[in-house]
Amino acid sequence: DAGITQSPRHKVTETGTPVTLRCHQTENHRYMYWYRQDPGHGLRLIHYSYGVKDTDKGEVSDGYSVSRSKTEDFLLTLESATSSQTSVYFCAISDRNYRGYTEAFFGQGTRLTVV
Amino acid sequence: AQSVTQLDSHVSVSEGTPVLLRCNYSSSYSPSLFWYVQHPNKGLQLLLKYTSAATLVKGINGFEAEFKKSETSFHLTKPSAHMSDAAEYFCVVSDSNTGKLIFGQGTTLQVKP
Repeated sequence: DAGITQSPRHKVTETGTPVTLRCHQTENHRYMYWYRQDPGHGLRLIHYSYGVKDTDKGEVSDGYSVSRSKTEDFLLTLESATSSQTSVYFCAISDRNYRGYTEAFFGQGTRLTVV
Repeated sequence: AQSVTQLDSHVSVSEGTPVLLRCNYSSSYSPSLFWYVQHPNKGLQLLLKYTSAATLVKGINGFEAEFKKSETSFHLTKPSAHMSDAAEYFCVVSDSNTGKLIFGQGTTLQVKP
């Protein structure tokens, strides 16, 4: 299995509190991603990173921020959690070679409940 | 911007019959395309990938996909469904410019005995 871990795996938090999810990789891959998965919506991209300190928004970035200060870590922060952010969050990593982009490897997911 | 459309949200087949899960993509450049599977309450597993090599791609567990540029399609097939194939399947395209991974909405495959 690819070396990618998410923490925590489960979290319950109260509305209005900040929450940070961590994604850690040991593969030295350039690209890292945060997705959320909700029934009927598949996986939607929140933010992604194409290098250290290089990030960009995805399709559902409102209410989320990210940081990547080193290759191996990609943090997702919910500035002020809302019930609509209750979801399962997946981190993924990928890279690029002469053939194009490699397959992505996914973490096991973080189940976040905002009450 | 690149996008991917899975044409069926739900597919039901009988065990032992063929499986066809349809995926169309839009891309300005030669794309990288993937199929992933997710079993209930599990993570995502790569089934197969296309990255500008052979247009017929073989994956794990007997799945195949054919890249058809003229039709902008990357349909997933399997000759004979097994009960263990019941899962959610995602078609994914890599944006050639940015590296963003764009997911389709997913197709739920039901396999009936």
